[in-house]
Amino acid sequence: KAGVTQTPRYLIKTRGQQVTLSCSPISGHRSVSWYQQTPGQGLQFLFEYFSETQRNKGNFPGRFSGRQFSNSRSEMNVSTLELGDSALYLCASSFTGGSYGYTFGSGTRLTVV
Amino acid sequence: GENVEQHPSTLSVQEGDSAVIKCTYSDSASNYFPWYKQELGKGPQLIIDIRSNVGEKKDQRIAVTLNKTAKHFSLHITETQPEDSAVYFCAARTNYGGSQGNLIFGKGTKLSVKP
Repeated sequence: KAGVTQTPRYLIKTRGQQVTLSCSPISGHRSVSWYQQTPGQGLQFLFEYFSETQRNKGNFPGRFSGRQFSNSRSEMNVSTLELGDSALYLCASSFTGGSYGYTFGSGTRLTVV
Repeated sequence: GENVEQHPSTLSVQEGDSAVIKCTYSDSASNYFPWYKQELGKGPQLIIDIRSNVGEKKDQRIAVTLNKTAKHFSLHITETQPEDSAVYFCAARTNYGGSQGNLIFGKGTKLSVKP
């Protein structure tokens, strides 16, 4: 079966702009989590959505937001981009939210210049 | 909140040797401990996981052990092969009265297997 699909794979944006990343989970998975990965901070949790509701939220500023649609697809948005937002953004899906393991996508590499 | 420490940050072994990566966690309410392997240009891939009601789990050359009292868990890879070279992450997830928390990851271990 198809894995977790993230689009786009690569993105270059300018400081101050906003960006939207997309994640299509594995069919049947209702939980989608987002992580930011950087060399210095590792994998940091952004937020989790389950059945269109945000269930958990990490310690990121309000510029980072997300949503989930009725088909479980999720988007995350970053407004007013800063250089420090350059990172690999990973999406992970799970059947219920982790009890059966998370499957990660290949990520979106965001570069802010 | 939960904090996960992972050691070592880099590990180099000869092909055929064993590799051990260790993690400690802080929250005694954590009950799920997965291990992920991340290869260059890819997302993390779940390789094995263990729940708090189990002390050890094995899958071919990979095993994970959990010591709840000491709050640490370890990944053991036997008979290492060059294709085992990757970055490995441990993680922990808490469960507060049925409300599942998110995964907290260690900083990762870069494993290099020399032919």
